[in-house]
Amino acid sequence: ETGVTQSPTHLIKTRGQQVTLRCSSQSGHNTVSWYQQALGQGPQFIFQYYREEENGRGNFPPRFSGLQFPNYSSELNVNALELDDSALYLCASSSGQPNTRNTEAFFGQGTRLTVV
Amino acid sequence: DAKTTQPNSMESNEEEPVHLPCNHSTISGTDYIHWYRQLPSQGPEYVIHGLTSNVNNRMASLAIAEDRKSSTLILHRATLRDAAVYYCILRKGEGSGAGSYQLTFGKGTKLSVIP
Repeated sequence: ETGVTQSPTHLIKTRGQQVTLRCSSQSGHNTVSWYQQALGQGPQFIFQYYREEENGRGNFPPRFSGLQFPNYSSELNVNALELDDSALYLCASSSGQPNTRNTEAFFGQGTRLTVV
Repeated sequence: DAKTTQPNSMESNEEEPVHLPCNHSTISGTDYIHWYRQLPSQGPEYVIHGLTSNVNNRMASLAIAEDRKSSTLILHRATLRDAAVYYCILRKGEGSGAGSYQLTFGKGTKLSVIP
């Protein structure tokens, strides 16, 4: 059973550009969530996808968008990058219904995005 | 959202037990208590979760107060590999639908293990 893998591991972008981050879920997991973690802070929930539909969103603007594919892999897209978007972006996958409180999430190692 | 309060940092000697406290006085009756930890340069890792009864697994034990307003994560013998930030999280579990899976992380407790 493979774990959650994210690519790329590191990325440098210029302010105003667009970026796409990728996540491959753990085998058999149908729910994926994305988190942003600024330096010294805990991860902040961006949104969640279940069966290719967005199923919950945190306090992030519309320029943060995502996709989930039939194989449950996922993308996070950020348009019009700002300096404050510099952070570690984490993907987490889980199995079962997305509203189940009794399941654990498996996180990838993250993508470190630097906006200059 | 129900919030949790944890000490910013704790220290432990290697091979001694560690008790990491968490207060969650506004917990609702159906919220599960989850613990995750994050080792340096890694994503968070699930540790344990519980609802009302104390729980044990291969990594740790979770002791939940009778009124559920606090809980304690217990590492029975701290190793250097246990040095991490530990997050106590209440699963947002009111009904189904939007955002009900999200994990709301605070700043956690940074555990240092002294050789």
